[in-house]
Amino acid sequence: ETGVTQTPRHLVMGMTNKKSLKCEQHLGHNAMYWYKQSAKKPLELMFVYNFKEQTENNSVPSRFSPECPNSSHLFLHLHTLQPEDSALYLCASSQAMSLYSNQPQHFGDGTRLSIL
Amino acid sequence: QKEVEQNSGPLSVPEGAIASLNCTYSDRGSQSFFWYRQYSGKSPELIMFIYSNGDKEDGRFTAQLNKASQYVSLLIRDSQPSDSATYLCAVNKGYAGNNRKLIWGLGTSLAVNP
Repeated sequence: ETGVTQTPRHLVMGMTNKKSLKCEQHLGHNAMYWYKQSAKKPLELMFVYNFKEQTENNSVPSRFSPECPNSSHLFLHLHTLQPEDSALYLCASSQAMSLYSNQPQHFGDGTRLSIL
Repeated sequence: QKEVEQNSGPLSVPEGAIASLNCTYSDRGSQSFFWYRQYSGKSPELIMFIYSNGDKEDGRFTAQLNKASQYVSLLIRDSQPSDSATYLCAVNKGYAGNNRKLIWGLGTSLAVNP
């Protein structure tokens, strides 16, 4: 496989459920990202990992819990979500982040999440 | 003022014409600028990135950056119906520190009419 792969593609869950989103990249990158995309809103950065270390938590509620076991894998653990959390969740990867510039990010196909 | 602003459109151009997409940003310290294309129901796909003032060309696409005026644009020459999509502008947030965060615009919807 090539590129960035996300599973599942679609997820419907109740507010009390626990589920996890998975992302895997085959590009040899060292930075990985979680984004939320909602209708009529710009892409919202949630979390960033650079060399497996979390470097950004963009004031995300604790019901979202990221995990990055290595530079190729990224998870987003979901627990007691709210209806407003229904959105497209996108994973991206890039070359390692540097002090002065951003590297282009490559996206997976996303997980369409619906909270009942 | 939004940090990254784009005209939502839709921008409608005839096939074969030049489509011009514009993006303005508020942070004078920004140094990295990206254009992504997103088809309906799909994820964003990188089109161009530019770091320096001036023009950068790649096939039918040209990115233009003017840091003094704080805008970045994307020109699509010989537009094709397959170019119909939403074009997202992303700009890094310029602040001192170990990480630089991308701020995204809402996107401009482009329709290329056969």
